[in-house]
Amino acid sequence: DAMVIQNPRYQVTQFGKPVTLSCSQTLNHNVMYWYQQKSSQAPKLLFHYYDKDFNNEADTPDNFQSRRPNTSFCFLDIRSPGLGDAAMYLCATSRDPTATDTQYFGPGTRLTVL
Amino acid sequence: DAKTTQPPSMDCAEGRAANLPCNHSTISGNEYVYWYRQIHSQGPQYIIHGLKNNETNEMASLIITEDRKSSTLILPHATLRDTAVYYCIVRVASGANNLFFGTGTRLTVIP
Repeated sequence: DAMVIQNPRYQVTQFGKPVTLSCSQTLNHNVMYWYQQKSSQAPKLLFHYYDKDFNNEADTPDNFQSRRPNTSFCFLDIRSPGLGDAAMYLCATSRDPTATDTQYFGPGTRLTVL
Repeated sequence: DAKTTQPPSMDCAEGRAANLPCNHSTISGNEYVYWYRQIHSQGPQYIIHGLKNNETNEMASLIITEDRKSSTLILPHATLRDTAVYYCIVRVASGANNLFFGTGTRLTVIP
């Protein structure tokens, strides 16, 4: 089945130690998104890629970066994780960036910062 | 995008219809109503969307009032697996595909 895959499902890192979360998709979609979801809160969009074009949300901290080396893969890099960055990180894809297109989400990676 | 208001929680008996309301009184003419749900420890899942007319698919029905200021998501025969947080999102058809999730309704299906 075509799907959005996130690895690992659980990630533990230390305060200030860089961490990378990965997302892959077999849907061949053009757009990939990263959302942050803190405990008991709704998901919040961090940024997205439309093909190779990177689009950052205005309030996304500089500590968060992303890479998309090819259509299938997208990475979320947290350069210096703080305790406040502990959250579920969700990857999503869509065929195109128009607002009517459905987004398909992965299962998420739960990040713990010690 | 217009703001939405949903009750924080609801219960529904298994096998009965679950009716989840959403108020979007400031919706404009070119804004769609979308519903996603998030089962515990999983990513959100698209359910249905509509503009003016009522919509139905294999998962649910969406009833939008004539003035479009509110809508109701209907799960016709709720099962335990429908226990989740349901998000009602209003967004324009043009522009970026950014989902702005509100607080949602936590639906608990009771055996």
